[in-house]
Amino acid sequence: AQTVTQSQPEMSVQEAETVTLSCTYDTSESNYYLFWYKQPPSRQMILVIRQEAYKQQNATENRFSVNFQKAAKSFSLKISDSQLGDTAMYFCAFPAYSGAGSYQLTFGKGTKLSVIP
Amino acid sequence: GAVVSQHPSRVICKSGTSVKIECRSLDFQATTMFWYRQFPKQSLMLMATSNEGSKATYEQGVEKDKFLINHASLTLSTLTVTSAHPEDSSFYICSARTGQGYNSPLHFGNGTRLTVT
Repeated sequence: AQTVTQSQPEMSVQEAETVTLSCTYDTSESNYYLFWYKQPPSRQMILVIRQEAYKQQNATENRFSVNFQKAAKSFSLKISDSQLGDTAMYFCAFPAYSGAGSYQLTFGKGTKLSVIP
Repeated sequence: GAVVSQHPSRVICKSGTSVKIECRSLDFQATTMFWYRQFPKQSLMLMATSNEGSKATYEQGVEKDKFLINHASLTLSTLTVTSAHPEDSSFYICSARTGQGYNSPLHFGNGTRLTVT
């Protein structure tokens, strides 16, 4: 079974600084995707970024980028130029087969990020 | 695109009554939808996978008779909490994806905060 581990329950960063959130996972699959989701105080789950396992290039979406180390099974999220709106819970997620050709997501426990003005 | 609408956003009910939560995919068809539960300051836990035209698949430990799921059409899944008790108070989130594969991200509704008094 796939497991997803986020070892940082809480983090804080000064506005405009850079912060990295860590995630490790365990799987026997060779091809897969990984996702980071953000959950602000509104509690709406928002997709931040996704990474394809067989792509060596790290994914980037504006100020968000990942450091994907497949051999180490590590998938960290880097947020550059942090903004107050980045304050949220961040969840790392891994697809798990749920039957009938469909996949659900297994989530890590989350990291609560606070951006300090 | 890929909007998931969940209703109601907040509901308060008395112990022993039933509550229905609706989840709709507004601009795409979803043969599969997922229902998650989230306790305060915790991660999302999958409760069940809702399959259009067939029975839902429940995760271990989730009571099928308490959490009734119906997926009557390709755009609507409902979760009914029957004979609700205070311990059922939680945040419930539905989700769906536009594709079936592991590379397709989940799109989430806004969630429903259920309070049972």
